[in-house]
Amino acid sequence: EVQLLESGGGLVQSGGSLRLSCAASGSTFSNRAMSWVRQAPGKGLEWISAISGSGGSTYYAESVKGRFTISRDNSKNTLYLHMNSLGPEDTAVYYCAADFFAEPAVILEYWGQGTLVTVAS
Amino acid sequence: EIVLTQFPATLSLSPGERATLSCRASQSVYSYLAWYQQKPGQTPRLLIYDALNRATGIPARFSGSGSGTDFTLTISSLEPEDFAVYYCQHRSKWPQTFGQGTKVEIK
Repeated sequence: EVQLLESGGGLVQSGGSLRLSCAASGSTFSNRAMSWVRQAPGKGLEWISAISGSGGSTYYAESVKGRFTISRDNSKNTLYLHMNSLGPEDTAVYYCAADFFAEPAVILEYWGQGTLVTVAS
Repeated sequence: EIVLTQFPATLSLSPGERATLSCRASQSVYSYLAWYQQKPGQTPRLLIYDALNRATGIPARFSGSGSGTDFTLTISSLEPEDFAVYYCQHRSKWPQTFGQGTKVEIK
């Protein structure tokens, strides 16, 4: 089993930046691809980014491409999401999630509790 | 991108009844479809992957079917803890997308 704990959320001004972290434990971190999924208040789920277990492959939704960067440090069992040029539309709970496989299949088996990002206009 | 449409938006049922939730893709996603459950204030939970495979620890009353563009999640007999929002999600190509969700509420 994998335990995931996000941190780094908070209130940021429009146009600002933020870095989210997701600390993993309980399994070999590098054996699993990871994703970030967000959920705006009262809305549904939106997949935004994935990274392979090695960190060599990354994928983004169009809504965040060019603004967000996913990365991981397997020596620290930690996933990151660097977010730039934030706008009010980015206000959401951000979840990290662990995939079944080392290459992203986006079968999201384990989820963190989420961290709230609020972008003030 | 592939659009997933879930219907109905809301399903009002009583405990013990059968629930049938549908998900339709704008183009074929083969069998690369998953279902997730989310209860209010909780994190999503994987129920079904690749159309019909139950995830670890998921009760047998949950079953998935379908391929191509039309998929179904069936809950054979609703338990009180099953009232929640259910999302389908495809992984057939980038970007992965979720449906808008079906809320199963107590009638």
